[in-house]
Amino acid sequence: DADVTQTPRNRITKTGKRIMLECSQTKGHDRMYWYRQDPGLGLQLIYYSFDVKDINKGEISDGYSVSRQAQAKFSLSLESAIPNQTALYFCATSDNKGGSYNEQFFGPGTRLTVL
Amino acid sequence: GNSVTQMEGPVTLSEEAFLTINCTYTATGYPSLFWYVQYPGEGLQLLLKATKADDKGSNKGFEATYRKETTSFHLEKGSVQVSDSAVYFCALSRDQAGTALIFGKGTTLSVSS
Repeated sequence: DADVTQTPRNRITKTGKRIMLECSQTKGHDRMYWYRQDPGLGLQLIYYSFDVKDINKGEISDGYSVSRQAQAKFSLSLESAIPNQTALYFCATSDNKGGSYNEQFFGPGTRLTVL
Repeated sequence: GNSVTQMEGPVTLSEEAFLTINCTYTATGYPSLFWYVQYPGEGLQLLLKATKADDKGSNKGFEATYRKETTSFHLEKGSVQVSDSAVYFCALSRDQAGTALIFGKGTTLSVSS
């Protein structure tokens, strides 16, 4: 079984709809992240969480919200989806070693299309 | 702030050719450096890493050396295979607290037989 899973893998929705992307991990890591990937732009950080009570904004958090329901679960919500949120979304995890060493483990991604 | 610049692709090579993908960085302090690979339809996987200056990361025939003097972490492989076709991302720690990674824009490698 995969260590980091994301659901759904693909989603098509309409402008204005609320949508939630879910991430679960079995690696026992404290830290979880949501990234967005757009062609030619690499990955951009949306939100990150160091534990259940610690949520932080990344570079592109506007239009997104997150919920850390448990150590193993981290959900990303689009309250009112818009077409420029069409992208590939990745969840990632890392342990709590901190410092300058921060290997991250990625889920398979969710391809979201907003019409 | 920290940032990463990597060469734009696509890079198209024949099998057994030599590969170099350039990556330079701007950083305060001493970040760790990473190369991630993304195969078609999959998430990113760590390919190799280096945590301090002059460290050489290596894996699956790929190598990269952390060069503080030139602020570079170029990815190399002596003989590429068709199965190496993927998108390669250079990344570094966002800050000293290791809050997240900053990624380059990615370089697409296509290897033909």
